[in-house]
Amino acid sequence: EPEVTQTPSHQVTQMGQEVILRCVPISNHLYFYWYRQILGQKVEFLVSFYNNEISEKSEIFDDQFSVERPDGSNFTLKIRSTKLEDSAMYFCASAEENSSPAQYFGPGTRLLVL
Amino acid sequence: QKEVEQDPGPLSVPEGAIVSLNCTYSNSAFQYFMWYRQYSRKGPELLMYTYSSGNKEDGRFTAQVDKSSKYISLFIRDSQPSDSATYLCAMKSSARQLTFGSGTQLTVLP
Repeated sequence: EPEVTQTPSHQVTQMGQEVILRCVPISNHLYFYWYRQILGQKVEFLVSFYNNEISEKSEIFDDQFSVERPDGSNFTLKIRSTKLEDSAMYFCASAEENSSPAQYFGPGTRLLVL
Repeated sequence: QKEVEQDPGPLSVPEGAIVSLNCTYSNSAFQYFMWYRQYSRKGPELLMYTYSSGNKEDGRFTAQVDKSSKYISLFIRDSQPSDSATYLCAMKSSARQLTFGSGTQLTVLP
């Protein structure tokens, strides 16, 4: 069964450093998402991406965040200058079509900012 | 008032019990209602989704939506120890983002 994959599984970084989280969505999906989950809190929406552009973003997704689909398979989230409060699990998700609510999540990247 | 509210539990039941998990919401624009299962330190796994009000059954799982009451439920019949996980409700309007509840931690005791 096709699945969303994410790398790395864990990332430790120093405050102020840039990190890039990588995702490979399900191959025939067209809509891509990033969510995050701070330990003990809800899963929160960050951004959605379709046709090589951002379609929606939350208040969390400020100027230090960016997303990119650099090739036909990868989808990345970049955090330019990490802060302590960016420590969280970051989940990538993909969906086949706009009308379907079925978003399929990857296993996540655990980011720890020291 | 939070958009989606979910009792965090924890909820412990004996094997074979019927489990009832619930969420309430305040946003009338929500049209799609989903249940995800999340094992510890893993990504959410989609169990099932429903559109608007009504029931949907998939094996041991039944999802119910009552839009008039803004209340959704997930029932698990013949619960198994492998069902032990955190169950997340999630909702979607015409926008693309999912809005999640805080999750209910379920333990099924053998």
